[in-house]
Amino acid sequence: GESVGLHLPTLSVQEGDNSIINCAYSNSASDYFIWYKQESGKGPQFIIDIRSNMDKRQGQRVTVLLNKTVKHLSLQIAATQPGDSAVYFCAENFGQGGSEKLVFGKGTKLTVNP
Amino acid sequence: EPEVTQTPSHQVTQMGQEVILRCVPISNHLYFYWYRQILGQKVEFLVSFYNNEISEKSEIFDDQFSVERPDGSNFTLKIRSTKLEDSAMYFCASSENAVLNNSPLHFGNGTRLTVT
Repeated sequence: GESVGLHLPTLSVQEGDNSIINCAYSNSASDYFIWYKQESGKGPQFIIDIRSNMDKRQGQRVTVLLNKTVKHLSLQIAATQPGDSAVYFCAENFGQGGSEKLVFGKGTKLTVNP
Repeated sequence: EPEVTQTPSHQVTQMGQEVILRCVPISNHLYFYWYRQILGQKVEFLVSFYNNEISEKSEIFDDQFSVERPDGSNFTLKIRSTKLEDSAMYFCASSENAVLNNSPLHFGNGTRLTVT
């Protein structure tokens, strides 16, 4: 079935610390994953993506890890800043069957304390 | 950086009325989408559009919904007869290539639809 979920609905960190946001997915056919950041009153903003043939991808201050064995995705944010405060969503594309849609998780609210 | 723009930012309408939500996707993108987000809930897929036709739609996208690309720049979502439960944020998105080809979606800032 379609199920993309997050282990922690809220995460509070101190400025400068590293943050880890987790996501579990249930569809083993998913082959493409994206992390989005959503600030209040705005649309989802693309952060980083990863294909299923990779297990790690790095961007600027962000790293996405994919563990297909346990169907787990994580987003690591280094040196978290107040501007990182937002809701973070993982999204997956099932791939097989020609589906164009992304299935979004529930979201984790990240709060960065100064 | 190019972005997806949506208008209006907020639309209030009475139940049973028709609404049209407008979007201007990123100019070189070929795939277009509508998603919605009911307050405090997940972002949900409504419809994808490519080559002037719907390529996929969800169960939410019933006969009350339609999409159109009336010219080379606009992409619209029409709700024929709005219901209270249509109240949500509606996000337009576009991508350069198909999601199947690992092309990420870029979203607009949404239209908040309130049906009274």
